[in-house]
Amino acid sequence: DSGVTQTPKHLITATGQRVTLRCSPRSGDLSVYWYQQSLDQGLQFLIQYYNGEERAKGNILERFSAQQFPDLHSELNLSSLELGDSALYFCASSVAEAYGYTFGSGTRLTVV
Amino acid sequence: DAKTTQPNSMESNEEEPVHLPCNHSTISGTDYIHWYRQLPSQGPEYVIHGLTSNVNNRMASLAIAEDRKSSTLILHRATLRDAAVYYCILPTDSGAGSYQLTFGKGTKLSVIP
Repeated sequence: DSGVTQTPKHLITATGQRVTLRCSPRSGDLSVYWYQQSLDQGLQFLIQYYNGEERAKGNILERFSAQQFPDLHSELNLSSLELGDSALYFCASSVAEAYGYTFGSGTRLTVV
Repeated sequence: DAKTTQPNSMESNEEEPVHLPCNHSTISGTDYIHWYRQLPSQGPEYVIHGLTSNVNNRMASLAIAEDRKSSTLILHRATLRDAAVYYCILPTDSGAGSYQLTFGKGTKLSVIP
């Protein structure tokens, strides 16, 4: 157990639907990062939150949004889902550069 | 952003040392060098990081060239569990003490029994 908890582990949904992925960071970590990993794209950075505020954005689609709550857990919302959104979604947390990122075990999203 | 270059794949025999190279010729003086690995069907895992001096931990050693334009991750005795994709990354400063990792394609390490 890495200390970063992601739920659910697996999710199957239909095109056009909306889903919410949840991440609880490691205790004490203020930064949360979301990544998408598909077979043909590798690990793509989506978005970073630091202590409740958006800090950096990567290749995140407009149909996707995220937030970090006061208790520091984070949610990634994916809407109007398409087949191409099928991927592994990883959450990571960190306290500072000196300690590296800790990744969760991911949520596997399948859009059918 | 400073970029890294790694071989696409490498092979090693079990119980032998493995040297995974990384070139980062555009590195700046304050860029840390991080290594992560991703085992099949798992999330990435932090391995080691360094700035200027060589670093050792329970997982691996990191040898950094004197000019910092290259580094080498050393696994002292490869095991089957070390078969993974290894990523060499220079984190990007996101401001106020936080930073961001951009993953490339990494090096896929195969370990032969």
